[in-house]
Amino acid sequence: AQKITQTQPGMFVQEKEAVTLDCTYDTSDPSYGLFWYKQPSSGEMIFLIYQGSYDQQNATEGRYSLNFQKARKSANLVISASQLGDSAMYFCAMRDITQGGSEKLVFGKGTKLTVNP
Amino acid sequence: EAGVTQFPSHSVIEKGQTVTLRCDPISGHDNLYWYRRVMGKEIKFLLHFVKESKQDESGMPNNRFLAERTGGTYSTLKVQPAELEDSGVYFCASSQVTWTGEFTEAFFGQGTRLTVV
Repeated sequence: AQKITQTQPGMFVQEKEAVTLDCTYDTSDPSYGLFWYKQPSSGEMIFLIYQGSYDQQNATEGRYSLNFQKARKSANLVISASQLGDSAMYFCAMRDITQGGSEKLVFGKGTKLTVNP
Repeated sequence: EAGVTQFPSHSVIEKGQTVTLRCDPISGHDNLYWYRRVMGKEIKFLLHFVKESKQDESGMPNNRFLAERTGGTYSTLKVQPAELEDSGVYFCASSQVTWTGEFTEAFFGQGTRLTVV
C-alpha cells in the first residue's frame, strides 16, 4: 500500500529565506505521481506542484520546486524567498490507482509552516 | 469559472442526528472525490465517483455514511446517525477524466467542518 510520511509537524522560517519541507513515500508501483498541496487558514486545499516518477527533471512552479530523489524515495518541497502568505499547512500526497481503475490521493499528516517577519 | 463548492462550511450537530454535506464540483469534471481529515491525522480517502457511478467506496467508514451523486452533477454525503468520532473536516475534490492515465489536477473545495457533540 502507498504511504506518505511527513516527519515535521511544524516548521519556522524567516521571511525571504528558503525552506524545505520533507516528504518520504513508500510504494511498490513503478509508476506513480507525487503532489504538494497548501492549506491556508481559510481551509481550501491549493495544488502547488506535481512530480511524475518518470519525469527526468525536478518539477518547478514559480517559487516552488520539488527535490525528487527517487532512490531515497523522497519528494521534498522547497519554497524559495518565503513570504508571510506562505504560512499554512502543507500536505504531500501520492496518487494511488487501483486495479479497478479508481484513483485517489494518499496524504501525509502535513507540516505547518510559519513564516516570521 | 467557479471552483469546487461545499456547503455548509461548518456544522455542529448532536450525536444521533443526521447531517447532509453537499459538494458542487467544477462543471465538466466527471471525477468527484470525498476525503475526510480527523483532527491531527492524515486526510483520508472516502470514495470516488465517475459521473453518477461509485467507482470506489473502500474508504467509507461504515454504513452510517451514504454518498450520492445525482445525475453526475453535485454530490451529497449523509451521515446518519452521527457519532462523536465522525467529527472532522470533509473535503470534496473534482477532476477531469482522462483515458491515457496522464496527470490531471484534483481541485479541492474549502471543506465542511463537522462537529458532533
